[in-house]
Amino acid sequence: GENVEQHPSTLSVQEGDSAVIKCTYSDSASNYFPWYKQELGKRPQLIIDIRSNVGEKKDQRIAVTLNKTAKHFSLHITETQPEDSAVYFCAAPGGSFGNEKLTFGTGTRLTIIP
Amino acid sequence: DAGITQSPRYKITETGRQVTLMCHQTWSHSYMFWYRQDLGHGLRLIYYSAAADITDKGEVPDGYVVSRSKTENFPLTLESATRSQTSVYFCASMSEVVYNEQFFGPGTRLTVL
Repeated sequence: GENVEQHPSTLSVQEGDSAVIKCTYSDSASNYFPWYKQELGKRPQLIIDIRSNVGEKKDQRIAVTLNKTAKHFSLHITETQPEDSAVYFCAAPGGSFGNEKLTFGTGTRLTIIP
Repeated sequence: DAGITQSPRYKITETGRQVTLMCHQTWSHSYMFWYRQDLGHGLRLIYYSAAADITDKGEVPDGYVVSRSKTENFPLTLESATRSQTSVYFCASMSEVVYNEQFFGPGTRLTVL
């Protein structure tokens, strides 16, 4: 089945600096790669996603890059702010569950240091 | 996100009791999912449903039962709760039109004593 690995598990960044979180996946047929942000005690919320026909997508301070050959994708947050502190999850579809279901990474706890 | 709700938000129960967690969505999404979230494991799929009366197992289905008689509701039942089922449970829904984009409910924190 699909296997999604996410690194690092924790990340501390000085306010204003950039943060990068990386994920790898195993199913070469996967074609959709979302990133979710989860604040403490809240639900996961989709912040950005990318489909396999593009290599990069940006939305203000966040961007996602995809390398289908290497089967990895990354979340980039620039000019980090205190409100970026949260747990971030990557995900990929496919594997034994089929394309309509997502397999999630184990999460990265991002802490922005003021 | 107000379109998907879960109840109760918090539940304490005892080992061996039956517990049902409710999930309701107002978007008429075809797909609905149940996840559990535990530290170090991220979000793991328990069961999912592609439409009313169509359900299937996910990664960790043992000890859980689901049903989907109506499109908008997807209850999750723990037939005989165990301490290992202490977790935060999230329901999610997805449109068959915007494929793969899942919207999560607020979660239910379940403690089994």
